[in-house]
Amino acid sequence: QVQLQESGPGLVKPSQTLSLTCTVSGGSISSGGYYWSWIRQHPGKGLEWIGYIYYSGSTYYNPSLKSRVTISVDTSKNQFSLKLSSVTAADTAVYYCARGQAFDIWGQGTMVTVSS
Amino acid sequence: VIWMTQSPSLLSASTGDRVTISCRMSQGISSYLAWYQQKPGKAPELLIYAASTLQSGVPSRFSGSGSGTDFTLTISCLQSEDFATYYCQQYYSFPWTFGQGTKVEIK
Repeated sequence: QVQLQESGPGLVKPSQTLSLTCTVSGGSISSGGYYWSWIRQHPGKGLEWIGYIYYSGSTYYNPSLKSRVTISVDTSKNQFSLKLSSVTAADTAVYYCARGQAFDIWGQGTMVTVSS
Repeated sequence: VIWMTQSPSLLSASTGDRVTISCRMSQGISSYLAWYQQKPGKAPELLIYAASTLQSGVPSRFSGSGSGTDFTLTISCLQSEDFATYYCQQYYSFPWTFGQGTKVEIK
């Protein structure tokens, strides 16, 4: 069965770029016509959808983050990635990758703390 | 942006109770609504999609209803493992958005 796994630094300095990768196993990122999303959850808070990438490379970003977000895909590695620039403490959150429009498969999540 | 009002934010209930959670949209979304369960320290899990379709493997005590602007998640007979936080999510229009969450706690 398809599984997702986030990876990347757990600590990022303010003003730097947060970079995370989601590795897809058990299936091809290019098959099935799925959307591949990043979602975050601030500590003790609700869920915020960051954006998606389609296997073809087309993207859509949440307007609240659009100026700072880039999502890319590497089909050869079966991975998709998130870059969030100019981070502040307000970007401290658990970051999840997920599949679909109704998100049927999620990664376990990775905590990213923004601090000097 | 579609705004979502999920209620209640906190629900105290006992094992065996029937509980309902509401999600109201600022505009119609047809049936493009999903429900998730999240337990502490874990990723959310999909319970229902297309407003009323049960995700594979989800117990039948969970059900969803509604279309347009008003939606409901019902747990027919609350079990101990159901104490968690529940979220609704619309995928009708961008940006996809989530409700604020409903924590179901032991009464």
